Amino acid sequence: EAQVTQNPRYLITVTGKKLTVTCSQNMNHEYMSWYRQDPGLGLRQIYYSMNVEVTDKGDVPEGYKVSRKEKRNFPLILESPSPNQTSLYFCASSLRRGSEPQHFGDGTRLSIL
Amino acid sequence: GQQVMQIPQYQHVQEGEDFTTYCNSSTTLSNIQWYKQRPGGHPVFLIQLVKSGEVKKQKRLTFQFGEAKKNSSLHITATQTTDVGTYFCAGPGTSYDKVIFGPGTSLSVIP
Repeated sequence: EAQVTQNPRYLITVTGKKLTVTCSQNMNHEYMSWYRQDPGLGLRQIYYSMNVEVTDKGDVPEGYKVSRKEKRNFPLILESPSPNQTSLYFCASSLRRGSEPQHFGDGTRLSIL
Repeated sequence: GQQVMQIPQYQHVQEGEDFTTYCNSSTTLSNIQWYKQRPGGHPVFLIQLVKSGEVKKQKRLTFQFGEAKKNSSLHITATQTTDVGTYFCAGPGTSYDKVIFGPGTSLSVIP
């Protein structure tokens, strides 16, 4: 089954404790992206990747890092999480470009205390 | 910077009534996509519009792309409880690789 898998689904942690949210897709998609969703603000793009070893900033990249060492994986790293990063995070992928239909993972709800 | 707005933010309708959400971009879009997110779920792709003035239908849903390719609408005829959710429009950013989502319209349907 074609899918985007994120882990963990829920995480409560404390300020400053490094964390990684994993994202994996099995559709051989070139384009992958991370979004955060906050009430009233919709989905805001954090980082995206056009292909292996190619990543670029979205609209809200501050405080986040990503890597794309393999085509299927696109982890989101919070080196020193802060409470303003408490949010619902979605990973998504599309065949080649961001302008193509995207498949979303189930989401990761992060709470930073 | 580029902005994509949607109105209304919320809409409550009686089951069987029609519903429309509007999407407006500050810049011309090469294409526009619509997604639906059920409560507690993830966004699911509905449709993509590419041509100026394009109209597409999916059963009770009608999607339009404006002539200037800066606005779009989604109209649902005779809403059902299964239509409940948040509807987002999205378009390419100033770089084709970026994606800009609207803030969404949350639809509630009263049985």
